[in-house]
Amino acid sequence: DGGITQSPKYLFRKEGQNVTLSCEQNLNHDAMYWYRQDPGQGLRLIYYSQIVNDFQKGDIAEGYSVSREKKESFPLTVTSAQKNPTAFYLCASSILENYGYTFGSGTRLTVV
Amino acid sequence: RKEVEQDPGPFNVPEGATVAFNCTYSNSASQSFFWYRQDCRKEPKLLMSVYSSGNEDGRFTAQLNRASQYISLLIRDSKLSDSATYLCVVNIVQGGKLIFGQGTELSVKP
Repeated sequence: DGGITQSPKYLFRKEGQNVTLSCEQNLNHDAMYWYRQDPGQGLRLIYYSQIVNDFQKGDIAEGYSVSREKKESFPLTVTSAQKNPTAFYLCASSILENYGYTFGSGTRLTVV
Repeated sequence: RKEVEQDPGPFNVPEGATVAFNCTYSNSASQSFFWYRQDCRKEPKLLMSVYSSGNEDGRFTAQLNRASQYISLLIRDSKLSDSATYLCVVNIVQGGKLIFGQGTELSVKP
């Protein structure tokens, strides 16, 4: 079955540590996105990529980094520079910008 | 002003009720419109796209008014399983990304 897979489902990070969240899709979608959701709030765009080896900052890119070396994969690194990383992270993909997104099931990141 | 604004909610309704959600968007160049549903602690899932002529899918009806930059979602004969947060989503083609409203929570009670 085609879909988008995020891992891990839950992640705990120590202060000052970098962590990488995985996002893989086998839908042959060109565009991929990372969003962050805080409790009771909407989704905020971190980074997005419309083509391999190219990506753009979203509204809250500070403290995050991404890569898009393969069409199927768009990993997100939460660096130690992100001061408040505890949140629900959602990866999405789409075939074209005028179509809706398919979301992964998300990763819950907690700083301990 | 937020790019996409929704009714703040929450909406608490009895089973069988009709409930309407409203959403406004600020960019008149917006091209595509969607309603997503998000269950508690889950990812958003596409409920329906919204077309200029309005569209219906069973108990759900979506309307778009481009002149007023307004989108609505009507749910008839509410079920307990309709309890969720409903997200209004707009695409601005130039940015190539979807803009999400903050969501309206619906709770359907027996």
